[in-house]
Amino acid sequence: GQNIDQPTEMTATEGAIVQINCTYQTSGFNGLFWYQQHAGEAPTFLSYNVLDGLEEKGRFSSFLSRSKGYSYLLLKELQMKDSASYLCASMDSNYQLIWGAGTKLIIKP
Amino acid sequence: GAVVSQHPSRVICKSGTSVKIECRSLDFQATTMFWYRQFPKQSLMLMATSNEGSKATYEQGVEKDKFLINHASLTLSTLTVTSAHPEDSSFYICSARDGGGVETQYFGPGTRLLVL
Repeated sequence: GQNIDQPTEMTATEGAIVQINCTYQTSGFNGLFWYQQHAGEAPTFLSYNVLDGLEEKGRFSSFLSRSKGYSYLLLKELQMKDSASYLCASMDSNYQLIWGAGTKLIIKP
Repeated sequence: GAVVSQHPSRVICKSGTSVKIECRSLDFQATTMFWYRQFPKQSLMLMATSNEGSKATYEQGVEKDKFLINHASLTLSTLTVTSAHPEDSSFYICSARDGGGVETQYFGPGTRLLVL
């Protein structure tokens, strides 16, 4: 079956670094997406990885290992506004996104 | 770029009425649009995939006759919730896929539906 696993909730301190892990099992693979969703709002696109390795985009980086079915989202220099849910989604062979349940990130001052 | 709008942002209606939600891709053509529903503190649930000019593909458990989807042009898809009931109250979010390369889905801002 198709499955995406990510932690339910994480807590981190303002200014610190946090890594949110995601493992996936999908029928075929056409890329791994990360989205940010603030409470009461729609998701916004953060990153897309289809090749192994690290993609850096400002304070946010995303890593992919296709052989391990594993990705992580790395957030540096955490700010209070980074408090949100982070959704991992794998695109299967039909180009459908299979969504994780999301990781709620709580930032403490 | 890749902006998706959704209208209305919030709807309150009486039980039994129908509600239409519009989803537009503003700066790109979207051959495929998706409709999601999200209940409080739950993950996104895909309702249907909408392809321009053809019938929508509904996910298992989603009633086709209750949630009517029309994708008449490359920039517009509509979702009509027919005979809405309180249990249909939810956050409805559309997304559009920019087919020109990376298959990224860009989300509209969502429509919060409250059925009284």
